[in-house]
Amino acid sequence: DSGVTQTPKHLITATGQRVTLRCSPRSGDLSVYWYQQSLDQGLQFLIQYYNGEERAKGNILERFSAQQFPDLHSELNLSSLELGDSALYFCASSVDWNTDTQYFGPGTRLTVL
Amino acid sequence: SQELEQSPQSLIVQEGKNLTINCTSSKTLYGLYWYKQKYGEGLIFLMMLQKGGEEKSHEKITAKLDEKKQQSSLHITASQPSHAGIYLCGVARWGGADGLTFGKGTHLIIQP
Repeated sequence: DSGVTQTPKHLITATGQRVTLRCSPRSGDLSVYWYQQSLDQGLQFLIQYYNGEERAKGNILERFSAQQFPDLHSELNLSSLELGDSALYFCASSVDWNTDTQYFGPGTRLTVL
Repeated sequence: SQELEQSPQSLIVQEGKNLTINCTSSKTLYGLYWYKQKYGEGLIFLMMLQKGGEEKSHEKITAKLDEKKQQSSLHITASQPSHAGIYLCGVARWGGADGLTFGKGTHLIIQP
């Protein structure tokens, strides 16, 4: 158990819908990262937050957004969902932002029908 | 952007045998992470290597970083069924700690 929690574990929804994925980092970790893992693209970095502020962006679509709240938990919002958004979404956390080990949560499996 | 190539893509090894997985970078390696993933589950942190020539071990797994070759290797000694899974190498972009770029992974199967 990494100490990073994600909810829900599974999510099934329809195209065009909007969903919110939630992540609670390890106690004491200030940085949260979101990743998407699919069979064709592999594991890809989406976005990073550090202490409530956006720090870095990766291959995140405009339909996706995230935020980190004062209690340091984070949410990833996915809107106008398409079939291709079906994937495993991981959250990871680290103590700081500077070359620090990232610990991954168990993931949320999103299925878009 | 930095690309990581892992080899082999998949590996079937008899229990008790040794094996090596490689991760080669298209750019200079400033630091490299190894993770293990059980199918459909989260990534488990194994080791982080930061300096050329650095070698770390955890139980029966040893990882080395060769800066000159821009490569890291992960060696498992006397493999066990618990070693089965997907091994992923990752690097931080620009040498810092924002999002990691990962290789495609090596699928390891241990045959009894």
